[in-house]
Amino acid sequence: DTEVTQTPKHLVMGMTNKKSLKCEQHMGHRAMYWYKQKAKKPPELMFVYSYEKLSINESVPSRFSPECPNSSLLNLHLHALQPEDSALYLCASSRLRVGAEKLFFGSGTQLSVL
Amino acid sequence: DAKTTQPNSMESNEEEPVHLPCNHSTISGTDYIHWYRQLPSQGPEYVIHGLTSNVNNRMASLAIAEDRKSSTLILHRATLRDAAVYYCILPKSNSGYALNFGKGTSLLVTP
Repeated sequence: DTEVTQTPKHLVMGMTNKKSLKCEQHMGHRAMYWYKQKAKKPPELMFVYSYEKLSINESVPSRFSPECPNSSLLNLHLHALQPEDSALYLCASSRLRVGAEKLFFGSGTQLSVL
Repeated sequence: DAKTTQPNSMESNEEEPVHLPCNHSTISGTDYIHWYRQLPSQGPEYVIHGLTSNVNNRMASLAIAEDRKSSTLILHRATLRDAAVYYCILPKSNSGYALNFGKGTSLLVTP
């Protein structure tokens, strides 16, 4: 199994809603990542987890709250988002957090904030 | 972070080889060179990576200059399914070895 599974594939939410994005991998990877991608732009790194601990937060607003409850699962909790937060949210994982490792990406959650 | 420079776009005919260049003049000795591609409406996909020597896999070849200040991704026979944005990336320790994507090269393959 070499897949990173993201759910839901599409999400529409209002600015007062609370929602969560889920990412799962069963490859035994110990590093997991969240990226945000606006239309026709490259992905932008948001968070890096290593061994279930947050190691990098790229100055992401607090309305985005990541969580890594176990080594297979990564969540992104969303609260009070703005319309400009509408984007494709990508999850990735790698065996370890070192430069020689390749990243596996999910197909993303397309988020629309109304 | 070591920056990479790629052409914005390239075009190739189907079944011909494609050479996608990347400059990374500020690369350090321990930086791996990674290539990923992103097809429309999909997440990025690993293509190949290397440190010093040229590398081959079933998807592509990676040619690394002797001084490591540039590299070239080689698709031996382009197909229409190879039309994608190709990213050359040097994962850095200060970003947790995450990939910091630049603008990449948009490859158009014509029949």
